[in-house]
Amino acid sequence: EVQLVESGGGLVQPGGSLRLSCVASGFTLSNYEVNWVRQAPGKGLDWVSYISGSGSTVSYADSVKGRFTISRDNAKNSLSLQMNTLRAEDTAIYFCARAQTVRASYYMDVWGKGTTVTVSS
Amino acid sequence: SYELTQPPSVSVSPGQTAYITCSGDNLGDKYVCWYQQKPGLSPVLVMYQDRKRPSGIPERFSGSNSGNTATLTISGTQSTDEADYFCQAWDSIWVFGGGTKLTVL
Repeated sequence: EVQLVESGGGLVQPGGSLRLSCVASGFTLSNYEVNWVRQAPGKGLDWVSYISGSGSTVSYADSVKGRFTISRDNAKNSLSLQMNTLRAEDTAIYFCARAQTVRASYYMDVWGKGTTVTVSS
Repeated sequence: SYELTQPPSVSVSPGQTAYITCSGDNLGDKYVCWYQQKPGLSPVLVMYQDRKRPSGIPERFSGSNSGNTATLTISGTQSTDEADYFCQAWDSIWVFGGGTKLTVL
């Protein structure tokens, strides 16, 4: 079964750090681009970060640029999101999602169940 | 930055057709996809490249995109279609609409 499983969420104080992980099964993650997408409580979907299959290209939403770092370990079929200087507004469920970019079509066809990050004192 | 606008809510009677719109500047020049999200679950891709259905998505789901508006159409809406629907496009970054809550009354 094609699957993504996130982990690493939790409760952290403002200014703290967390490292989220996403492990793939049923397919070779290195063959795919991946996004992190978050959803604040009761809100919509918010793109956070992107990484290419090789890891050579990354991008970030302005709201997290300079604070979050995306990386991947293709040998372990996994990727990570290092989150530093966390703010209350980073509180959300964080999903990793397999991205497809085909002839100017950009979509995400496999999503994990998500991991919850709560930033609060 | 590029914005996609969706109506917050749409209501439809069972068996009727639901239209969920997504608006953006010259959106017809981009490909749009749609996700369905039920409470407590992850989003599920229900349409990509404007009008293509992933495997396993019922034929009652269809899509179109022209001008400034993309539309997800659900024909013969069922109670199981009640969910939040998000459109998404790409404009140098991945952009989501705010979401539409579909209620099947």
